[in-house]
Amino acid sequence: AQKITQTQPGMFVQEKEAVTLDCTYDTSDQSYGLFWYKQPSSGEMIFLIYQGSYDEQNATEGRYSLNFQKARKSANLVISASQLGDSAMYFCAMSRAYGQNFVFGPGTRLSVLP
Amino acid sequence: SQTIHQWPATLVQPVGSPLSLECTVEGTSNPNLYWYRQAAGRGLQLLFYSVGIGQISSEVPQNLSASRPQDRQFILSSKKLLLSDSGFYLCAWGVTGSLDYGYTFGSGTRLTVV
Repeated sequence: AQKITQTQPGMFVQEKEAVTLDCTYDTSDQSYGLFWYKQPSSGEMIFLIYQGSYDEQNATEGRYSLNFQKARKSANLVISASQLGDSAMYFCAMSRAYGQNFVFGPGTRLSVLP
Repeated sequence: SQTIHQWPATLVQPVGSPLSLECTVEGTSNPNLYWYRQAAGRGLQLLFYSVGIGQISSEVPQNLSASRPQDRQFILSSKKLLLSDSGFYLCAWGVTGSLDYGYTFGSGTRLTVV
């Protein structure tokens, strides 16, 4: 069965520093997608970044990059130059080529300190 | 462009009262629709998903039910709310078999059962 593990329930980072949020996944699928979502205190789920299992280059979106290590089944999110507005819950998720839903990780709460 | 509407944003209901949360999608046809629940500070729990009108799959047996009376309408209901039904409810839509198409979430409903 597919599973996403986020081992850091909470993280602290100083403003303007970089932070890495860990995500490991378990799947027997050959093709899959990996996503990161941000959930601020308002509750909305905001899509951040996507990585396909066959993409050879790590995905980047502005200050967000995804450190994809397929052999290790990890898809860590790197946030550069943290801002106070980055304080939120972050969820790693995996899509499948078939089936009806994503698998979400338990989330990591990031707090950016001034 | 595709949009998803979810209402109400907040709801306070007494124990034993009925519930109806509605979610509608615009700008797409035959979407997969999902209801998730999130306890405070916790991860996402998939409650129901639907791949078409009248087709509902339940992931967690409980006193909640879902219906899809129209292609782009998804309703979450309960005949009698329990205290344990309190939480943050999120509706989402996605595309079957598309690895790189992430979920789009509604803005959520914060339900407090008193």
